[in-house]
Amino acid sequence: AQSVTQLDSQVPVFEEAPVELRCNYSSSVSVYLFWYVQYPNQGLQLLLKYLSGSTLVESINGFEAEFNKSQTSFHLRKPSVHISDTAEYFCAVSDRGAAGNKLTFGGGTRVLVKP
Amino acid sequence: KAGVTQTPRYLIKTRGQQVTLSCSPISGHRSVSWYQQTPGQGLQFLFEYFSETQRNKGNFPGRFSGRQFSNSRSEMNVSTLELGDSALYLCASRHAGGAHSGSIFGEQYFGPGTRLTVT
Repeated sequence: AQSVTQLDSQVPVFEEAPVELRCNYSSSVSVYLFWYVQYPNQGLQLLLKYLSGSTLVESINGFEAEFNKSQTSFHLRKPSVHISDTAEYFCAVSDRGAAGNKLTFGGGTRVLVKP
Repeated sequence: KAGVTQTPRYLIKTRGQQVTLSCSPISGHRSVSWYQQTPGQGLQFLFEYFSETQRNKGNFPGRFSGRQFSNSRSEMNVSTLELGDSALYLCASRHAGGAHSGSIFGEQYFGPGTRLTVT
């Protein structure tokens, strides 16, 4: 069984300040890791993913996440946030070895960017 | 390419009724997964269909069922609705082609969801 813990349920941050969203997972097997973003009244959008290779992955809109196997973490960071980054962010894992693609999600972190 | 579409977007039902939700995946995508999102339980996996077969199932009662058609469109059905079934139901599609689809990992694309309210 897998589980994902997002340590902060809400993160208020001022515009242009950095933000870090923490994600830890527990799994007995190797996993793929993801961050999804959900804007109000919308579905989920994939922000970035770690499948293999470099442990630092980046998105096109300035977010980055680093896979740390020893700490079983996949924290999300952005050096300077915009008002438009206000949303809920979900960390998720998927079993590498399984057929199919079941995602196990964390509880979500709501980011509120203040002017 | 059109995205994942879900119909209806909003639905109000009475306890004890049944409901059917529909999901049309992105053209060419053969895998469709369903998730339930509630404030209390968060995002939970319901089931995944691939080539009209259920490949994975989450920990939900038998009142929750689904199916996939030959054109990859999927429906999920909830019978004997309970107040706790009120949720946002999200569908996600993935291009999972190939004989070893489990090893060819494709990104999941989510639809906007169907907001179900049970009164």
